[in-house]
Amino acid sequence: AQRVTQPEKLLSVFKGAPVELKCNYSYSGSPELFWYVQYSRQRLQLLLRHISRESIKGFTADLNKGETSFHLKKPFAQEEDSAMYYCALLSYNQGGKLIFGQGTELSVKP
Amino acid sequence: DTAVSQTPKYLVTQMGNDKSIKCEQNLGHDTMYWYKQDSKKFLKIMFSYNNKELIINETVPNRFSPKSPDKAHLNLHINSLELGDSAVYFCASSRGGSLEKLFFGSGTQLSVL
Repeated sequence: AQRVTQPEKLLSVFKGAPVELKCNYSYSGSPELFWYVQYSRQRLQLLLRHISRESIKGFTADLNKGETSFHLKKPFAQEEDSAMYYCALLSYNQGGKLIFGQGTELSVKP
Repeated sequence: DTAVSQTPKYLVTQMGNDKSIKCEQNLGHDTMYWYKQDSKKFLKIMFSYNNKELIINETVPNRFSPKSPDKAHLNLHINSLELGDSAVYFCASSRGGSLEKLFFGSGTQLSVL
């Protein structure tokens, strides 16, 4: 079964601390993975996708096929990073659909 | 200029009623979606349309009927509303399929009493 798991519902860190939001997936093919973010009172928006191998707002995510993980990392968290983060897997069944994880709320304290 | 707009923002209604949520995108995208976010913030796809054609239809009760009059609009009609339908419904669009960046609307919070 295709599935995305974000084991932490809430992650709280202090400003300047490293942060890692965990994401594990289950998919039989070659996965396409994304991180979406929803800041307070804003729309859900794409943060980064693994095919682009990009760093956005200091965040990076590396696909680890051996561990079936796509954890989101940032070396020094900022207060403005506080938001809801969703990991998503693209499933090519039925023309392609995004399967989202349960979301992790990141709270960065001053 | 709002890229993906959905109305209403809030919808409070009684069980058994029929209601619609409208969505419009001005990005010229070919694909539109409806997602449901439950009380635990779990986000799940309901439907996907590409150029007015239904592409994805998840296991959704047939009380939910999407309608796409043109590729810029995807409305969601819900018949005989139930308590369990209470959720936030998000519309989204993308240029192609889900591999492309999805642009989301601000959500419609539906409360069924």
